[in-house]
Amino acid sequence: DTGVSQDPRHKITKRGQNVTFRCDPISEHNRLYWYRQTLGQGPEFLTYFQNEAQLEKSRLLSDRFSAERPKGSFSTLEIQRTEQGDSAMYLCASSPGYTSGANVLTFGAGSRLTVL
Amino acid sequence: GEDVEQSLFLSVREGDSSVINCTYTDSSSTYLYWYKQEPGAGLQLLTYIFSNMDMKQDQRLTVLLNKKDKHLSLRIADTQTGDSAIYFCAESTPVDDKIIFGKGTRLHILP
Repeated sequence: DTGVSQDPRHKITKRGQNVTFRCDPISEHNRLYWYRQTLGQGPEFLTYFQNEAQLEKSRLLSDRFSAERPKGSFSTLEIQRTEQGDSAMYLCASSPGYTSGANVLTFGAGSRLTVL
Repeated sequence: GEDVEQSLFLSVREGDSSVINCTYTDSSSTYLYWYKQEPGAGLQLLTYIFSNMDMKQDQRLTVLLNKKDKHLSLRIADTQTGDSAIYFCAESTPVDDKIIFGKGTRLHILP
């Protein structure tokens, strides 16, 4: 297993366009998380899945954002009608849950979005 | 609500100990974590502590937890240039399983 993979690593788009990010978690991990990180800030929680079920979505998350994990494996995060304020690093993480004690997240390298 | 606070910067001379502090607000936090982010890289778990412990040591790393004051610290002994990174404190609760991160402390190593 190569860890958590995210694609694309960098996306430049014009304001108003839609973008989609993909995350492939560690195969035996049933939990998958999306975070957003802007410069000088910590990762901000967006949403998470247990298998294919989306269990929580941040209240800060606009309706333009949607995430799916249709078969409980990979996940996609789509942003519709992008705005310049959406420019950030989008981080995906997966975990096996609390099976080993703590809920340890393994992060991908992130997908950087630049909205012009 | 959940909130995690950290100071933003710390400068330490090479060979000295670094102490990075964190405060959190959620008294039901069960686990507290330290993650490290090096430039251009993803976050990596350094260590974590269960809330019924007050100390955990792992090689050069010592984590202290004061649950009464909701204060967590990470001590790095014999700080090296490779320790230069951003360190994030994070908490989790069993209620909703999301992990909440602080803004991170940037550790700068002076020669």
